[in-house]
Amino acid sequence: SQQGEEDPQALSIQEGENATMNCSYKTSINNLQWYRQNSGRGLVHLILIRSNEREKHSGRLRVTLDTSKKSSSLLITASRAADTASYFCATVSIYNQGGKLIFGQGTELSVKP
Amino acid sequence: DAGVIQSPRHEVTEMGQEVTLRCKPISGHDYLFWYRQTMMRGLELLIYFNNNVPIDDSGMPEDRFSAKMPNASFSTLKIQPSEPRDSAVYFCASSLRTSGKYEQYFGPGTRLTVT
Repeated sequence: SQQGEEDPQALSIQEGENATMNCSYKTSINNLQWYRQNSGRGLVHLILIRSNEREKHSGRLRVTLDTSKKSSSLLITASRAADTASYFCATVSIYNQGGKLIFGQGTELSVKP
Repeated sequence: DAGVIQSPRHEVTEMGQEVTLRCKPISGHDYLFWYRQTMMRGLELLIYFNNNVPIDDSGMPEDRFSAKMPNASFSTLKIQPSEPRDSAVYFCASSLRTSGKYEQYFGPGTRLTVT
């Protein structure tokens, strides 16, 4: 069963604007990851944040993690039409060293040129 | 590296038939995962292997599903007999945990339609 909840389910913005997606989860985690899925394709790993980290950056991506609230957010700055995709958060439990991922339902992002 | 390779990319079959999905993980990766994606249930982990050994198959829906990993470069997911509710996109992913990394690399998926 899915552990994560993502918000919003769908987001439509104009090119150049920032996009923020939120993720909540239920159990204690080792790390949280964000993946992107373009239509009809496999998932692509974007960024990983460990449970002892609060913020991480990678290019135009900024991820925050609040373990007290069991939530994370993904910010994409200066969005481009090519960012149009579904974005998923996925957690790795502290009880699972194999790296089993539990995915959220995803946010569908549409960036209009 | 070619990435994770899955075959076939599309499979259409009739209810009751046996279906075999194939996966070649990234060379050197020690973990292999099988996922299923549907609109209703999202992404679900079915089973994963470590060094070719099944570790957790709690996500396998029922006995009709089976998975094997005979060697480090090949895995199969078999459904026998198939049912219309098995229609989904099936993804294979691999990772290199011994390096301390948790990132998973996904294949392009197999879109299965059972009529």
